[in-house]
Amino acid sequence: GAVVSQHPSWVICKSGTSVKIECRSLDFQATTMFWYRQFPKQSLMLMATSNEGSKATYEQGVEKDKFLINHASLTLSTLTVTSAHPEDSSFYICSARPSGKNIQYFGAGTRLSVL
Amino acid sequence: GEDVEQSLFLSVREGDSSVINCTYTDSSSTYLYWYKQEPGAGLQLLTYIFSNMDMKQDQRLTVLLNKKDKHLSLRIADTQTGDSAIYFCADDRGSTLGRLYFGRGTQLTVWP
Repeated sequence: GAVVSQHPSWVICKSGTSVKIECRSLDFQATTMFWYRQFPKQSLMLMATSNEGSKATYEQGVEKDKFLINHASLTLSTLTVTSAHPEDSSFYICSARPSGKNIQYFGAGTRLSVL
Repeated sequence: GEDVEQSLFLSVREGDSSVINCTYTDSSSTYLYWYKQEPGAGLQLLTYIFSNMDMKQDQRLTVLLNKKDKHLSLRIADTQTGDSAIYFCADDRGSTLGRLYFGRGTQLTVWP
């Protein structure tokens, strides 16, 4: 149980294009999902908290128009990196919190490379 | 400085015990967590402990919590080469939204 599927696992795109990353909780409902960014040999940096049916809460310094988050159902949140640039290249990880529990289960991450 | 601190590296020989330490600053933490990350992968929840507990054991894993000193440790008994990974300590600072605050991670290397 408690599986979080993140897709795609790896994406290469051209500068200026948009990329969508999906995060699905497969066997539980998640009112809240989180999106993180991880730089090499660094810890996870929380980008935003995604709440089902409402607007995401972004951390300070994270551009909401650049990183669009949609949490349309209790099992799916998406992160769209708009007009991607090489500096957006990173490892993006999502997590999902089962409703009523204080635990986060993580996806396998998405490696984004922007050329 | 970091609010959740961990040493960055630990090397042990296969079969020995590993102890990974973590300190945190927020006294309102309700739960504290240990996650494992293998190269190129997401984080795997290993175990967690409620703040009013001193110890939790789960097979080869033992978590010790000293709430007075705000010190958390993870002991891995009979460490195997497959345990080589980065281990992250995290606390929730009492957040009702489920937000977690992570340390920088400890790279555990197990030598055969």
